[in-house]
Amino acid sequence: AQSVTQLDSQVPVFEEAPVELRCNYSSSVSVYLFWYVQYPNQGLQLLLKYLSGSTLVKGINGFEAEFNKSQTSFHLRKPSVHISDTAEYFCAVSVTGGSQGNLIFGKGTKLSVKP
Amino acid sequence: EAGVVQSPRYKIIEKKQPVAFWCNPISGHNTLYWYLQNLGQGPELLIRYENEEAVDDSQLPKDRFSAERLKGVDSTLKIQPAELGDSAVYLCASSLRPEELFFGEGSRLTVL
Repeated sequence: AQSVTQLDSQVPVFEEAPVELRCNYSSSVSVYLFWYVQYPNQGLQLLLKYLSGSTLVKGINGFEAEFNKSQTSFHLRKPSVHISDTAEYFCAVSVTGGSQGNLIFGKGTKLSVKP
Repeated sequence: EAGVVQSPRYKIIEKKQPVAFWCNPISGHNTLYWYLQNLGQGPELLIRYENEEAVDDSQLPKDRFSAERLKGVDSTLKIQPAELGDSAVYLCASSLRPEELFFGEGSRLTVL
């Protein structure tokens, strides 16, 4: 079975500062990796995904993430955050065959950007 | 292009009452998902449809929950009877490819 651990439930940061949201996963098979963002009272929006190839993945809104197979991590980073980045961020995995699309989510990290 | 549409956005009911949620996926998306999101948690899959066939409903509590996707387009998720612990957000998603899901805004259920 797969599982996802988001190491920080809340991350406060000042505007224009860099941020890293940490995600570790556990799986005995190959997985795809995703980061979703959820703004208040809205659904989830895909930020970026790792399927194969380059381990550094760039997504929307200036976010990027790096897949590290040896450390089973997929940390999300942004070099300079804006107030509008305040939201909850979810890391997710799915297996690469069979039940593709059945995402397993972490518990989320609430990013709070302060002026 | 319209996104995934869900209704109602908010629903408040008394326990033991029935409730239903409706989802209209993005046009052309054959795969439809219902996820449950409890407060402070990540979403958890309830059921996945490929066209009108439920291909994974292992996490759906079948004693009180039911779902259907007639004609392979829109879908309804029903709870009967609702319990206090069912208070949550019910998310619908659809996809053309399994590596990219599009989520609706969710239906927030409060059971009193």
